[in-house]
Amino acid sequence: DADVTQTPRNRITKTGKRIMLECSQTKGHDRMYWYRQDPGLGLRLIYYSFDVKDINKGEISDGYSVSRQAQAKFSLSLESAIPNQTALYFCATSDTASGGHNTQYFGPGTRLTVL
Amino acid sequence: GESVGLHLPTLSVQEGDNSIINCAYSNSASDYFIWYKQESGKGPQFIIDIRSNMDKRQGQRVTVLLNKTVKHLSLQIAATQPGDSAVYFCAEKGAGGTSYGKLTFGQGTILTVHP
Repeated sequence: DADVTQTPRNRITKTGKRIMLECSQTKGHDRMYWYRQDPGLGLRLIYYSFDVKDINKGEISDGYSVSRQAQAKFSLSLESAIPNQTALYFCATSDTASGGHNTQYFGPGTRLTVL
Repeated sequence: GESVGLHLPTLSVQEGDNSIINCAYSNSASDYFIWYKQESGKGPQFIIDIRSNMDKRQGQRVTVLLNKTVKHLSLQIAATQPGDSAVYFCAEKGAGGTSYGKLTFGQGTILTVHP
């Protein structure tokens, strides 16, 4: 969905490095999410934010942190990257005003490789 | 070391056939369900949704069926086309407690359409 953008699209880094993945949206949605996708494991929630002052851990938050700089921006950081954080990372947004349905719209993904 | 992921279910069909993709969900209290399509190199894309008070919903060439008795969801694609080749995910939305508002995704099914 072109309304949700992620940068970078691909990144190769080394163990121990700090990495930041950024997500921006022009959909005007208040909720934003970070997921990781691994082969055969589907999408797993890392962190989510229901508004600028709200940050919540998902099911696999260890080793990650996030920052909601504005309603339209949600960044994911790996403070000290390790090889098992090699994965596809997706940002998503949803709108509280959708009546609680919480349909989420995804960005194109960032492929991260940690050597 | 290298990790080996689980093998996803696969469905191969001929162009023009109808496809049925199945999903078993886990939470009997989930109140909303979504089907996503993920093409190679892209983020998941919303296809169709259904509320728990419905058992069928139709879109363009797609139909979703919900059987709450056995916690089963299916996606039917009519007259399948090569462009339908992708991984299809179901997602359920938690209705209460700590799972409220969150989506839980299935592992996905790989659909391959042969011309």
